[in-house]
Amino acid sequence: DAGVIQSPRHEVTEMGQEVTLRCKPISGHDYLFWYRQTMMRGLELLIYFNNNVPIDDSGMPEDRFSAKMPNASFSTLKIQPSEPRDSAVYFCASSLEGTEAPIYGYTFGSGTRLTVV
Amino acid sequence: GQNIDQPTEMTATEGAIVQINCTYQTSGFNGLFWYQQHAGEAPTFLSYNVLDGLEEKGRFSSFLSRSKGYSYLLLKELQMKDSASYLCAVSARRFDYKLSFGAGTTVTVRA
Repeated sequence: DAGVIQSPRHEVTEMGQEVTLRCKPISGHDYLFWYRQTMMRGLELLIYFNNNVPIDDSGMPEDRFSAKMPNASFSTLKIQPSEPRDSAVYFCASSLEGTEAPIYGYTFGSGTRLTVV
Repeated sequence: GQNIDQPTEMTATEGAIVQINCTYQTSGFNGLFWYQQHAGEAPTFLSYNVLDGLEEKGRFSSFLSRSKGYSYLLLKELQMKDSASYLCAVSARRFDYKLSFGAGTTVTVRA
């Protein structure tokens, strides 16, 4: 398997523009997560899905952020309009369902480094 | 909320042993995870502990004490490639797959 695939790897955009990040999870994984990483705040969970259904979006900063998972092999995270404070590395991760916890760990994609100027 | 504390930085010599501590205060507990993240790369899963005690995987071992809200990751026979950030993460509830991560400990291995 090619692992979790994210695109683009790097994105530079102007404030106010719409940004769409894409993720293809590992085939057969039941869970998909979107995390954001910054020096100041570390890794923060934005939203996660189980079997394509959003389970917890309490980490989504505000209405400017939205995420979808139309099928088991694709998810998007959209920011509209983007702001400089959204600059971060955005990671997508997927996990196989274990028992009571993600005992097999997450597999992270390579991330999208977003810069909003 | 979840509070997970780790030291910010540690430095050690090649071939030595380093112990990275993690303390947590969370609304519940359903497992503790360690991840390794090299600079500019994605985190990779190292270990999972849910019961008290030591889990050994080659040069890496992870320990958990639930009563103390404490874990450590032990790296033995350090190699230069072990220079990375090590992230402690906690699952707070049964069947809740989200993890809360600590800020990470940057380990620098020197020759």
